[in-house]
Amino acid sequence: EVQLVESGGGLVKPGGSLRLSCAASGFTFSTYSMNWVRQAPGKGLEWVSSISRGSGYIYYADSVKGRFTVSRDNAKNSLYLQMNSLRAEDTAVYYCAREQIGLGADHWGQGTLVTVSS
Amino acid sequence: DIQMTQSPSSLSASVGDRVTITCRASQSISSYLNWYQQIPGKAPKLLISAASSLQSGVPSRFSGSESGTDFTLTISSLQPEDFATYYCQQSYSTPHSFGQGTKLEIK
Repeated sequence: EVQLVESGGGLVKPGGSLRLSCAASGFTFSTYSMNWVRQAPGKGLEWVSSISRGSGYIYYADSVKGRFTVSRDNAKNSLYLQMNSLRAEDTAVYYCAREQIGLGADHWGQGTLVTVSS
Repeated sequence: DIQMTQSPSSLSASVGDRVTITCRASQSISSYLNWYQQIPGKAPKLLISAASSLQSGVPSRFSGSESGTDFTLTISSLQPEDFATYYCQQSYSTPHSFGQGTKLEIK
């Protein structure tokens, strides 16, 4: 069974940093691109970042470019999102999701809540 | 960037109704269009990829179609478990933008 489990969310002050992790199991992690998608409270879905199987291709939404860094460790079956210079508008549930290239995200984690507030 | 415009933003319907949700891309995305269902408090679930390909385990009352840059999700006969929010997403180019969502409510 495919499982994605996010962790690392919490309360952080504006300007602070946080590192999210996503532990993958039940599939060959190294053969899939992975995504981060977020959802602000009561709002819609926003694609945040994608990383290819071997980390050779990395993409970001303009809203997080220069502040967030996605990475992965295929040996540890793990995906990460380093978030720096956090703003109130980054408050959201962050989901990691497995991507079928060009065919959408077919498995999602349960999400981890990041709250940016003083 | 490609903009995805979804309509309507909300919809009231009854069990057994046929409903249609539309998503328009701001430019050609070929068939790189996906539909998701999200129940409150849960992660999104992929229903349809490549505009019309039903994911395994998704009931056949769900279907997708396309006409140029217009895409449609149809639920042929609403069931109680279908009341949720639906999102389209293009996977043609990054950023892989989502539509704003359609909240399907019980009439």
